[in-house]
Amino acid sequence: DTGVSQNPRHKITKRGQNVTFRCDPISEHNRLYWYRQTLGQGPEFLTYFQNEAQLEKSRLLSDRFSAERPKGSFSTLEIQRTEQGDSAMYLCASSLRGGRADTQYFGPGTRLTVL
Amino acid sequence: GENVEQHPSTLSVQEGDSAVIKCTYSDSASNYFPWYKQELGKRPQLIIDIRSNVGEKKDQRIAVTLNKTAKHFSLHITETQPEDSAVYFCAAYSGGGADGLTFGKGTHLIIQP
Repeated sequence: DTGVSQNPRHKITKRGQNVTFRCDPISEHNRLYWYRQTLGQGPEFLTYFQNEAQLEKSRLLSDRFSAERPKGSFSTLEIQRTEQGDSAMYLCASSLRGGRADTQYFGPGTRLTVL
Repeated sequence: GENVEQHPSTLSVQEGDSAVIKCTYSDSASNYFPWYKQELGKRPQLIIDIRSNVGEKKDQRIAVTLNKTAKHFSLHITETQPEDSAVYFCAAYSGGGADGLTFGKGTHLIIQP
């Protein structure tokens, strides 16, 4: 499968615990995005990377959230001290930088449930 | 920042009929407008997109139109089939330092047999 992959697909955790998700983009794509999607809503942008550089963060990304893409390939999103409001689907997307707007391809998501 | 409104939230059509979903955006600098289809429990999949230098784009039964003056764009699906049933999201890209897509809230399309 040459598409975007994410692990784990599901995560159940207790409030206050830390969780980490992984995203593997399409291999030649140099841009990687994180979105959050709650039930009945469209995806909301969180942050994105161009290669290993994190270039933009949404105001939705609180201090408890941190994302990395250390070698410009896979990325991790960590949520510290999880809260019930963090329960959502976390989607990763990747694109190939070219022109001003790039087609983004999404992964299957990680569904987080905070009890 | 960009704001995208999408209507209707639910659309039920008879199999074989056409479906139209409409979106408006707020940022006149937006220049890229993709449409994604999301089936229950699955990833959003790009079905068609349009850039601001064209007014219409067609791919088999799917077409998208863009009116930059009015800041709205629409998805048209003709000869609907049961497999078209899904949630459809429109999105806009405005750049300006925030390189994420801004999505609408989605339209649940139901194809009645």
